Amino acid sequence: DGGITQSPKYLFRKEGQNVTLSCEQNLNHDAMYWYRQDPGQGLRLIYYSQIVNDFQKGDIAEGYSVSREKKESFPLTVTSAQKNPTAFYLCASSGWSEQPQHFGDGTRLSIL
Amino acid sequence: AQSVSQHNHHVILSEAASLELGCNYSYGGTVNLFWYVQYPGQHLQLLLKYFSGDPLVKGIKGFEAEFIKSKFSFNLRKPSVQWSDTAEYFCAVNDPRGKLQFGAGTQVVVTP
Repeated sequence: DGGITQSPKYLFRKEGQNVTLSCEQNLNHDAMYWYRQDPGQGLRLIYYSQIVNDFQKGDIAEGYSVSREKKESFPLTVTSAQKNPTAFYLCASSGWSEQPQHFGDGTRLSIL
Repeated sequence: AQSVSQHNHHVILSEAASLELGCNYSYGGTVNLFWYVQYPGQHLQLLLKYFSGDPLVKGIKGFEAEFIKSKFSFNLRKPSVQWSDTAEYFCAVNDPRGKLQFGAGTQVVVTP
């Protein structure tokens, strides 16, 4: 079954810690995206990548970092510089920009 | 300022009632428009999309949406809802940079 796998489903972070959220897709999609979902705010774009070894900042990139070393993988690191990291994080992919995006099940990050 | 506006944050209605969710966007020029749905405990799924052609588009599960260019609107409709339509609905628009911008979402609750 083709799809997007995000792990873990739940993640807890201590103050001052960096954490990395995993996103893997087997849809052979070129473009991948990370969104943050907060109640009443919809989805906001953190980072996106249209091709391997290239990525761009979205609307709320501060405190986050990504890498795109392989086509199928787009991990997101939430750094200690992100002051309000508690949120639901969604990874998505599409054949190319402007095509419908396919979403993973999400990772819920909480601060201890 | 919100570039994609959804008119209602919460909608409660009874089974068999008709549903209409409003969506307005603020971008000029050619846009691609989407409605996504997030059922409880599930990932975001594409309901329908509009790229060009007939402004009345039909999606899955009996949903349809009408693109009215002069009103910058893309409202979602379903003539008769079911309990299983309880979900959060998101309107999304490709902005002039090609990035997907989401509305804040509308939580729809259908009562038996």
